[in-house]
Order: sequence, then C-alpha cells, then structure tokens
Amino acid sequence: GENVEQHPSTLSVQEGDSAVIKCTYSDSASNYFPWYKQELGKGPQLIIDIRSNVGEKKDQRIAVTLNKTAKHFSLHITETQPEDSAVYFCAAGYYGNNRLAFGKGNQVVVIP
Amino acid sequence: DGGITQSPKYLFRKEGQNVTLSCEQNLNHDAMYWYRQDPGQGLRLIYYSQIVNDFQKGDIAEGYSVSREKKESFPLTVTSAQKNPTAFYLCASSISLGLATNTGELFFGEGSRLTVL
Repeated sequence: GENVEQHPSTLSVQEGDSAVIKCTYSDSASNYFPWYKQELGKGPQLIIDIRSNVGEKKDQRIAVTLNKTAKHFSLHITETQPEDSAVYFCAAGYYGNNRLAFGKGNQVVVIP
Repeated sequence: DGGITQSPKYLFRKEGQNVTLSCEQNLNHDAMYWYRQDPGQGLRLIYYSQIVNDFQKGDIAEGYSVSREKKESFPLTVTSAQKNPTAFYLCASSISLGLATNTGELFFGEGSRLTVL
C-alpha cells in the first residue's frame, strides 16, 4: 500500500517568515495529495489539495507543489502568522477514493 | 450548523471493558470513517462505511467493531481485545465515493480521547 513520509517533524519559524513542509510518497499511481491542518484539540481540516495533473496550486498564503518524478510534494506557507501554528498532515491516495494514507504530521510553531 | 459531532470528548475506561464512541453527522454524507491518532503518528484508518448497513475494515481494525444502521450515525466500539486502546479517535465523513461532485475532502469531528486506566 501507499506509504507517506513527512519531514521535518517539528518546525519553528519567526512570524513573517516562510515555512516549508515536504512529504514523499511511495505509490506512483497516487494522484491526489491533500494537506490537512489540525489545531489543538480539534479535528483536522483540509486547507489545500493538488491533483497529479498540475504541478502547483496556490491559495492566498499557502501553496502546494508536486514533483511526480521524484514522488514528493510540499506545502509552502508565506508570511507566517501565529494562527498558522498547528499540526499539518500530508496525505496521498486516489482522487475520489477517499481512502488516504497520511503522514505522521508536522508541528509548526510560529514565534511572534 | 452542519457538521460532525463526536461524544464523549473524554472517556476513561478500565481494562477489560468495552466502550462505544458516538459519531453523528448532519451533512447528508454517505461515507463515514474512523481514524486513530497516536502522539507523533499519522492518522490510521480503523473502519469505513460507504453506505448504510455496509462497512469495511481499514488498516488497524483488530479489537474494534462498528455499525451503520443509520446514515447519520457510525458508532465505534473499542473492545477489550484491543491491546493498546488509549488514543485520540477521530470520526470523519465525505460525499459518496464515485460521485462526480466528490472532491475527496474528509470532514472531521473534534475527536474523542480515550484513556484506559
């Protein structure tokens, strides 16, 4: 089955700086790569996703890039703010299947 | 408000006891899921259901059981056979698999934290 690795496990950034989280996946057939944000004591919430037919997608301060050849995808957060502090999960799977393989999560801490 | 409600938020159980976690959704979603989250671990799928009266095992189903008698409800029972039941349990739902409108998004509840004493 699909295996998703997520690095680094913890990331601290100064407010206003950029944060980048990288994930690798093992199944070359995977075509859907969402990112979920989990705030303390809450359930994860989808923040952005990308399908394998595009290489990059942006939504305001967040963006996701996909390199199918290398089988990795990354989340980029620009101009970080304290409310960006959370655990971020990447996942991989087949679009419409909804059965995703999740990474272990990345704790992002934005230092004011 | 539309969403997923999990209860209880915190639960303590003695070893050898079964416990049932509730999950209710009013999003009119056909598919529902149970995930387990452990510290420093990703989300691991326990069971999922695509339609009423049908469900499938996920990656770590041993020691758990579910039922899907109503579209809105997908309770999870953690049995005494589960060797390490202390964890954070998340329920999720999504639009029916295979529909053209299915974007793949999972909608999560706020979780139930189970502690076995």
